[in-house]
Amino acid sequence: GAVVSQHPSRVICKSGTSVKIECRSLDFQATTMFWYRQFPKQSLMLMATSNEGSKATYEQGVEKDKFLINHASLTLSTLTVTSAHPEDSSFYICSARTMDRVTDTQYFGPGTRLTVL
Amino acid sequence: SQKIEQNSEALNIQEGKTATLTCNYTNYSPAYLQWYRQDPGRGPVFLLLIRENEKEKRKERLKVTFDTTLKQSLFHITASQPADSATYLCALGGHTGGFKTIFGAGTRLFVKA
Repeated sequence: GAVVSQHPSRVICKSGTSVKIECRSLDFQATTMFWYRQFPKQSLMLMATSNEGSKATYEQGVEKDKFLINHASLTLSTLTVTSAHPEDSSFYICSARTMDRVTDTQYFGPGTRLTVL
Repeated sequence: SQKIEQNSEALNIQEGKTATLTCNYTNYSPAYLQWYRQDPGRGPVFLLLIRENEKEKRKERLKVTFDTTLKQSLFHITASQPADSATYLCALGGHTGGFKTIFGAGTRLFVKA
């Protein structure tokens, strides 16, 4: 099956610093990757859609200057939380959509737990 | 606005019984519906996809039904095991939402030995 990895799995940082999270599709090429955040006992909230080689499309209410997304290749997308604050603490999950659009399936990474002190 | 409703209360069942989880949606016309499993602190894992023109789909001990008139999907786990304990997410995609997938908040299932 399709495997998606995320790194790091956990990160603790001080307020005001920036944190980069990597999302990789290990055994397939992903033209589209999605970034979500999830609060405890709540549904996944889509933050942005990332297409390889083009600018990310952000959902309403998500600050593009705060959450920088880069999709440099068909297997790698990164999310950088800039000038992080405690309210940015959350569980961040990426997913990758295969080039086989017939299945319309997203494969998720294991998530990154961000804690901002 | 588009809305997906899953029972927020946890479902507790005895090992060996059939677990049935419900997903209802409003203001949405999906081309397909998916079910995912999510364990604590982990990303969701895809289980099944059912399309709007399909009534039922099975995979091993899993069965999903999709009623576009009722705007409802039922997710069944037969012969449940403690290892099935997790949160199960319902997700909709296609048509109204285009290529985006929207997720329900999930239902927590506990299977007691």
